[in-house]
Amino acid sequence: GENVEQHPSTLSVQEGDSAVIKCTYSDSASNYFPWYKQELGKRPQLIIDIRSNVGEKKDQRIAVTLNKTAKHFSLHITETQPEDSAVYFCAASLSYNQGGKLIFGQGTELSVKP
Amino acid sequence: GAGVSQSPSNKVTEKGKDVELRCDPISGHTALYWYRQRLGQGLEFLIYFQGNSAPDKSGLPSDRFSAERTGESVSTLTIQRTQQEDSAVYLCASSKRLADYEQYFGPGTRLTVT
Repeated sequence: GENVEQHPSTLSVQEGDSAVIKCTYSDSASNYFPWYKQELGKRPQLIIDIRSNVGEKKDQRIAVTLNKTAKHFSLHITETQPEDSAVYFCAASLSYNQGGKLIFGQGTELSVKP
Repeated sequence: GAGVSQSPSNKVTEKGKDVELRCDPISGHTALYWYRQRLGQGLEFLIYFQGNSAPDKSGLPSDRFSAERTGESVSTLTIQRTQQEDSAVYLCASSKRLADYEQYFGPGTRLTVT
C-alpha cells in the first residue's frame, strides 16, 4: 500500500524567512496530494492541494511542487508569519481507485519566531 | 453552511467498555471517512463510506472496531472492549463525492481509555 514520508519533523524559522517541507510517496499511481495545517487542538484545514497532472501550484504565499518521476512533493511558504506556526501534514491519495482515502505523513511542526 | 460535526468532543472510558463515536457530515456529501490521530502523530485511515456502503475497511485496527452509516447521513464508529492503546483523537471527514478529492474534517472526538 501507499506510504508517505515527511521531513523535517520540526522546523524553526525567523519571521519573514521561507519554510520548505518535503514528502515522498511510494505508490506511483497516487494522483492527489493535499497539504493540511493543524493548529493545536483544532481540526486539520486544507491549505493547498495538487493533482498529478500539474507540476506546481501557488496560492499567495504558499506553493506546492510535485515531481512524479522522483515521487516527491514539497510545500513552500514564503514571508512566514507567526500565525503560520502549526503542524503541517502532507498526504497522498489514489482518489477514485481507492475511494479517496488519504495516507498522511507524520507531520512537521513549524515554529515561526517573531 | 454547517461543517462536519462530531460528538462527543471528549470521552473518557474504562478499559473494557464499549464506546460509540458519532459523525454528522456536511449535508449532501456522499463520501465519509474516519481517521485516527494518536498524540503527536499523523492521521491513520480507518474506513470510508460511499453512501451507506463501506468498500474499504482495511484500516480498522482489529475486529473490536466497526462502523456504520445511515444513508448519506450520520455515521457511528463503535469500539468494543476498549483498550488503552485505543486512546487517540478520532476524526471524521466528508467529501462531496469520491472523485471530488477535498475532504473537510470535523473537530474530532478525543477518546481516553483509563
